[in-house]
Amino acid sequence: AAGVIQSPRHLIKEKRETATLKCYPIPRHDTVYWYQQGPGQDPQFLISFYEKMQSDKGSIPDRFSAQQFSDYHSELNMSSLELGDSALYFCASSPSGTSGSDEQFFGPGTRLTVL
Amino acid sequence: AQSVAQPEDQVNVAEGNPLTVKCTYSVSGNPYLFWYVQYPNRGLQFLLKYITGDNLVKGSYGFEAEFNKSQTSFHLKKPSALVSDSALYFCAVWRTSGTYKYIFGTGTRLKVLA
Repeated sequence: AAGVIQSPRHLIKEKRETATLKCYPIPRHDTVYWYQQGPGQDPQFLISFYEKMQSDKGSIPDRFSAQQFSDYHSELNMSSLELGDSALYFCASSPSGTSGSDEQFFGPGTRLTVL
Repeated sequence: AQSVAQPEDQVNVAEGNPLTVKCTYSVSGNPYLFWYVQYPNRGLQFLLKYITGDNLVKGSYGFEAEFNKSQTSFHLKKPSALVSDSALYFCAVWRTSGTYKYIFGTGTRLKVLA
């Protein structure tokens, strides 16, 4: 079965650079979520999209932005990178909007290292 | 405020023995509760959920969990642990007011010893 695809899997950037993370949800899933997971921490919700519109916002810094495109893939844009942005970034998709009754399907993550 | 607590950072169990990973929650209304497992350098994988209905929920890989409303708990259990069950386990509740999102517990590392 198709899974959530994230690219790149690994990314190394310098401070103050920008980064773009991509997420391709499972076909026919209309909702995408982005999470940030620091070392030894639980995933922190950043932002979500439902039918290409932002549906909820969590602890996403103003330096970050995201969007969902017409083909439902999503991109997380990160600017003015800081050392503290080094983390694992997950994308997840679900078929049921924000009802919460369906589980989320997580991608393998993008490991971002900021030097 | 809605929250999830996993009181144990790590649980060690011998292979073949039953395992329990604890989770308690605080949420107004009827909770949507989930368990996810994370293997090293991998995304979270869904194990099981409680939305409504039977308090005993069966999930993937032989795991089950019991929803206990009076104790506000949703402990994850397996009758016979495998070494391959060693991973990081997250309990989550779906927040149904304000921002619609998961509230995760801090995670419990399960180590199954051969």
